[in-house]
Amino acid sequence: DAKTTQPTSMDCAEGRAANLPCNHSTISGNEYVYWYRQIHSQGPQYIIHGLKNNETNEMASLIITEDRKSSTLILPHATLRDTAVYYCIVRPSLSGSARQLTFGSGTQLTVLP
Amino acid sequence: DTEVTQTPKHLVMGMTNKKSLKCEQHMGHRAMYWYKQKAKKPPELMFVYSYEKLSINESVPSRFSPECPNSSLLNLHLHALQPEDSALYLCASTQGSSPLHFGNGTRLTVT
Repeated sequence: DAKTTQPTSMDCAEGRAANLPCNHSTISGNEYVYWYRQIHSQGPQYIIHGLKNNETNEMASLIITEDRKSSTLILPHATLRDTAVYYCIVRPSLSGSARQLTFGSGTQLTVLP
Repeated sequence: DTEVTQTPKHLVMGMTNKKSLKCEQHMGHRAMYWYKQKAKKPPELMFVYSYEKLSINESVPSRFSPECPNSSLLNLHLHALQPEDSALYLCASTQGSSPLHFGNGTRLTVT
């Protein structure tokens, strides 16, 4: 699986957009970009994923650069409950169910009141 | 709320004890995973089951013994653990192209 690089930590003011960057310069053509977050003492929670097009759901938006070597997760209006570790993961699109998910170090996002 | 249920939430065990962690999902997922997470570190993959068969073992010591009795259940049997095995143990499941769904884990302390 391709390696990802994320900043160790970021702060964001409550109500503002949180933009979390991720570099994945060795990503292959069949690898998706996934974002998960982990709130303290809980299991990782799926946020969003994409291949090459930008994606949006009720939680966030995912912007993937045209060369696919980096992406940005956007939380449009951050709240205190968005304080968590955010993981950017690349994962191959293989047939079958047993596809691995390998976590990097992630970004600790702290939303400040 | 999570659709993957792990029990117990907390477990304290001695180094000579035998205990089991349980994971259950009713989403029809046929791939199930065990991850281990030490404090302030990302989760690390331990085992993957696909259609009730062990497909990946990430060189985990034999004191950890996984079992998948049916498509909804995943167990992790623990025996003769060491204090350094204290961690959060996470279970996850998936099917096809769906994202992995994680439980909230069992926090294990080995004394």
